[in-house]
Amino acid sequence: KNQVEQSPQSLIILEGKNCTLQCNYTVSPFSNLRWYKQDTGRGPVSLTIMTFSENTKSNGRYTATLDADTKQSSLHITASQLSDSASYICVVTPFNNDMRFGAGTRLTVKP
Amino acid sequence: DGGITQSPKYLFRKEGQNVTLSCEQNLNHDAMYWYRQDPGQGLRLIYYSQIVNDFQKGDIAEGYSVSREKKESFPLTVTSAQKNPTAFYLCASSIDRDRGLSSGANVLTFGAGSRLTVL
Repeated sequence: KNQVEQSPQSLIILEGKNCTLQCNYTVSPFSNLRWYKQDTGRGPVSLTIMTFSENTKSNGRYTATLDADTKQSSLHITASQLSDSASYICVVTPFNNDMRFGAGTRLTVKP
Repeated sequence: DGGITQSPKYLFRKEGQNVTLSCEQNLNHDAMYWYRQDPGQGLRLIYYSQIVNDFQKGDIAEGYSVSREKKESFPLTVTSAQKNPTAFYLCASSIDRDRGLSSGANVLTFGAGSRLTVL
């Protein structure tokens, strides 16, 4: 079973709407949790990084939250744009071990 | 501009052939990685290297080989022993290997990827 589960697998929204992507993990203890954006046919690009002691981190219209008690993170996208269409990947780094990647959520923003 | 360059972007291989994917970085990063990405799955680590002339197996190293003769270069060879090589391959680098011991600022920088298809 994957240690990092993301939901939904795919999501379609209209331009200008908000959306929230979920990441549940079983990795424990962990050092940091990251969200990456991956455009089709490209490599992932870092959006946010949160250490285990942080609750929220923003990057423009992207806001990530972390609840270490429930082992959940979310990525909220505000006022979506067509360029937000991409896969969003949640990555959890355990202490003294390699990163664990979620399978990603495929977001499509339609005009 | 600093970054990671992967080549080729697309590659076709006949069964029984070895192919080599190139990865070059000019970020002066010590650590380099190769990941494999398949639909519906998270990235899986093939090999990583923390320093020149040293590399370690990741979770799915069977059927792959690497070398690290220069800091800037980390080529991946997909050998005929890899039974299901069709996938999207991503090379990445970081200042050093992040094993959760840092503050989290050790970000992976990825290349644009290479798509390998077996004919």
